[in-house]
Amino acid sequence: DVKVTQSSRYLVKRTGEKVFLECVQDMDHENMFWYRQDPGLGLRLIYFSYDVKMKEKGDIPEGYSVSREKKERFSLILESASTNQTSMYLCASSQGQGGTEAFFGQGTRLTVV
Amino acid sequence: AQSVSQHNHHVILSEAASLELGCNYSYGGTVNLFWYVQYPGQHLQLLLKYFSGDPLVKGIKGFEAEFIKSKFSFNLRKPSVQWSDTAEYFCAVTPNSGYSTLTFGKGTMLLVSP
Repeated sequence: DVKVTQSSRYLVKRTGEKVFLECVQDMDHENMFWYRQDPGLGLRLIYFSYDVKMKEKGDIPEGYSVSREKKERFSLILESASTNQTSMYLCASSQGQGGTEAFFGQGTRLTVV
Repeated sequence: AQSVSQHNHHVILSEAASLELGCNYSYGGTVNLFWYVQYPGQHLQLLLKYFSGDPLVKGIKGFEAEFIKSKFSFNLRKPSVQWSDTAEYFCAVTPNSGYSTLTFGKGTMLLVSP
């Protein structure tokens, strides 16, 4: 089974802190994604990556950056956390091209106070 | 860019009732379509998918969906729901070529009362 593991299930940070969310997948997938899930808004794509050291902006990249130094690991960085970044963050991975299915981690619920 | 619209935000049903959740998408090319489910406290998991071929696809736990190309729709159905189907359901679409990303609808929360 594909496993996508996010480093924290729950996280509480203070406004202005730099926050790192880590994600690791164990199936050698090329593609990795960070989504944000909010009630009534569904999942919105923050950033994605098709290869090591490669990144592309999604629909809501403002206030976030990412890092992919190794194929299996994709990090989401909140440069200066704000209360409007309180949300559930989901990492996902998929294989190759052509619109394949994505496999999701369990999510990190981040609260910024 | 593609977009997805789910018709209902909340649905409440009694056990054994039939379910149909609407999903329409907007995209100018060929797409792959998905329904994902998120049970309370669990991660998002794939319910079923359509890539090509028979437009009626069957998924896990008795769910099925029908792709109607002319209507840009991919509605989810189940003849008889159970209390354990209580969950949030997401329709998603992605172009079926090149490097592509999943675009999700806003989700439908289904509550099944015993």
